[in-house]
Amino acid sequence: DAGVIQSPRHEVTEMGQEVTLRCKPISGHNSLFWYRQTMMRGLELLIYFNNNVPIDDSGMPEDRFSAKMPNASFSTLKIQPSEPRDSAVYFCASSFQGTGGNQPQHFGDGTRLSIL
Amino acid sequence: GNSVTQMEGPVTLSEEAFLTINCTYTATGYPSLFWYVQYPGEGLQLLLKATKADDKGSNKGFEATYRKETTSFHLEKGSVQVSDSAVYFCALRGAAGNKLTFGGGTRVLVKP
Repeated sequence: DAGVIQSPRHEVTEMGQEVTLRCKPISGHNSLFWYRQTMMRGLELLIYFNNNVPIDDSGMPEDRFSAKMPNASFSTLKIQPSEPRDSAVYFCASSFQGTGGNQPQHFGDGTRLSIL
Repeated sequence: GNSVTQMEGPVTLSEEAFLTINCTYTATGYPSLFWYVQYPGEGLQLLLKATKADDKGSNKGFEATYRKETTSFHLEKGSVQVSDSAVYFCALRGAAGNKLTFGGGTRVLVKP
């Protein structure tokens, strides 16, 4: 079975540029999560969606960050304009949440973002 | 709010040694507890879980028991291998929600 697929795996760009990270969740999963991982702050939840609707975006650091989920099989995390302090590894995860209980989250391999 | 505290690393040990990584949590109600493992350059993978008190999760020789009286979920393995070198994260999911709260991660290095 295909897992969570993220692209690109690596992104290097100059500050001020727009960055778009992409995620394809596992088919059948209805919850999607965006995380950021840095040495200083560890693993932080940025936003999560349930049935394509943003449920909690309290972790989104600034208005420069935005996330969309136009359908059940695709999500984007956009940073505009990007800054050097946005450099991190960004993970997408998905899971199934149902009346019978919540299943564990499955993570993609991440996008390593470097802003110069 | 919910929080997870795990021992800081790095933890360095020899092959076949016994591994323990301590994890304690603060949460209301009855959370579910997880251990995830992250190998270099990869995302987090679920290692094991426990959903109620006294449950024991186990996988690949690793075990952890959900202890509500001590609010702990310590990870153990009796004989580690070099391939167990990774970062291990303890996490909880609140009883009413879908979000995971992670500990800071513990890096484990196993030397041959």
